[in-house]
Parts: sequence; C-alpha cells; structure tokens
Amino acid sequence: GAVVSQHPSRVICKSGTSVKIECRSLDFQATTMFWYRQFPKKSLMLMATSNEGSKATYEQGVEKDKFLINHASLTLSTLTVTSAHPEDSSFYICSASRGETEAFFGQGTRLTVV
Amino acid sequence: GQQVMQIPQYQHVQEGEDFTTYCNSSTTLSNIQWYKQRPGGHPVFLIQLVKSGEVKKQKRLTFQFGEAKKNSSLHITATQTTDVGTYFCAGNTGTASKLTFGTGTRLQVTL
Repeated sequence: GAVVSQHPSRVICKSGTSVKIECRSLDFQATTMFWYRQFPKKSLMLMATSNEGSKATYEQGVEKDKFLINHASLTLSTLTVTSAHPEDSSFYICSASRGETEAFFGQGTRLTVV
Repeated sequence: GQQVMQIPQYQHVQEGEDFTTYCNSSTTLSNIQWYKQRPGGHPVFLIQLVKSGEVKKQKRLTFQFGEAKKNSSLHITATQTTDVGTYFCAGNTGTASKLTFGTGTRLQVTL
C-alpha cells in the first residue's frame, strides 16, 4: 500500500511554454501533498504544501505565480511550471501524506527546458 | 529558518567497511526520518525515530536519535555494493509530514 505515482517521469519543453506535473496517491487518500525540487547532487528543497480544496502554502522564495499548484481531490495534486525557462530545469518530486508523519514519494519528474 | 546539515557530504568505502553519516538540526525536532535515494531514483523511506535517545536497527543499519532531539546518525556495518546511494535525514517539527531534508551523504561502495 501507500503508492504515489508521478507523471510524467521526464519532460522536455521549450522556453516560454508551461508544463504540468501530476502526483497521484493510488491506494490512499492524501490529506496533504508536498512538492519538492532537487538540483543535481543536492538535497530536496520544499517548494510548497498542498491541502485538498485549499490554496497551497508556498515556502519563502518560491514564486506562486510561477509554480501553480492545484489539489483538486484527495488523490491528485498538480504542479504547473508556467512560462518555463532553462533555470527551471530540475528534478521535481511530490510526496503524499495520509495524516501520519511518514511521507510517500512519487518517482519524480525530470524537467529540461530548452 | 530550520537547517539540517549532514556530514560527510561524500564517502567512498570498500565493501565490508563500515559507514556512518551524521545529521544535525539547528532546531529541536519532533521526529527524524531517514531516506535512501539511489542514483536517478526517488527517496525511499527507511525509518522514523521519535523518542529522545532512541536506537533502532534494521539488519546492518543502526539509527540513533540524540538525547536533545537535534541530531541523529545512521551507521551501516559491513557495507555492500547495494548500499550505494545518497542517505538523507529529514526533520519534522510537528506539522504532519512537512520535512526539512538534510544536505545528504553520498555513499560509494567498491569491491
């Protein structure tokens, strides 16, 4: 149990376009989902906390208009990188919580903006 | 803000040698979790420590949580090539599952 699926696993897009990443909890209802960003050989940096039916809470320094988060249901959260630029290229990972302190991670999405 | 540092950043050992990574938080934690991330993969949950001074073992892995709940360690006995990856500690200050990840320790094991 406690499987989190993230899609797509890899995406290449052109500068100026938008990219949507989906995070689904497959076998449980996620009260909270988290979005992280990871640069090569670096740690995971929390971008935002997403609760179903309410606005996401963004960490300091993360542009909410740049990284749009929607948590429409208890099993789905989406992250849209708007007007992507090469510096947005990174590994984006979601995690989902069912109310406990353990978080279950998706497989991650490697975004390359060209 | 809260910071979680790990040392060393990188360690290269020969198979059979022991390995330890240390994790230090700038603030007191409610609990600490450890994750392993293989190259190209996503973090995989290893364990959670909650009590001050707690020690837990998983086969060759021993995890400790400091008395002040601000530091932790992971020790691997007799490393194997399958232990290769980056080990992250992640601190939780109470909000369910909101984790601050440590800087990570990358372990390389060679024969």
